[in-house]
Amino acid sequence: KTQVEQSPQSLVVRQGENCVLQCNYSVTPDNHLRWFKQDTGKGLVSLTVLVDQKDKTSNGRYSATLDKDAKHSTLHITATLLDDTATYICVVGASFNKLTFGAGTRLAVCP
Amino acid sequence: NSKVIQTPRYLVKGQGQKAKMRCIPEKGHPVVFWYQQNKNNEFKFLINFQNQEVLQQIDMTEKRFSAECPSNSPCSLEIQSSEAGDSALYLCASSLGQDTQYFGPGTRLLVL
Repeated sequence: KTQVEQSPQSLVVRQGENCVLQCNYSVTPDNHLRWFKQDTGKGLVSLTVLVDQKDKTSNGRYSATLDKDAKHSTLHITATLLDDTATYICVVGASFNKLTFGAGTRLAVCP
Repeated sequence: NSKVIQTPRYLVKGQGQKAKMRCIPEKGHPVVFWYQQNKNNEFKFLINFQNQEVLQQIDMTEKRFSAECPSNSPCSLEIQSSEAGDSALYLCASSLGQDTQYFGPGTRLLVL
């Protein structure tokens, strides 16, 4: 059974639009949750990390929420740019050494 | 931003050949991880080290994969006899220990 489920699997938006990516998980314990951006064929770049039972973070045009009771996180991207085209991966950490990865949401931003 | 270096970026091997990739962790990071990301974006933890010692590894790693992190040299992951199913992106990450993992750009292996 998939322990970290991301939706949608893929998403197409026009430049300038906002979008929301979802992450539901069943991993326990859930020490922290991190969102990564992965450009095609490249490594993972950390966007934000959420730690608290009900947490919110903001990093420029990226903002994220976490609800550990619901085991649910969202990543909001505001005013998308062409460079936002990438795969966004949700990773739940039982500890910093034990990570469970989602399969990602493929985002395409069109002109 | 991560300063983990992985080489080569791309690696093409025939079935049965050895495939070796290297990773230089961020300076001062004693813990190194190797992950395999397949074409379905599924991540599999392979092995991790603290300094030169193996902390954890999965069965697959024990049989056909070998890895080491010698002092003063890059860490390496080697597949002794490549199989088509080994085609994937191999990601190296490093950390201070109980802290964030920083990922390298990966080595993309294609086994023909």
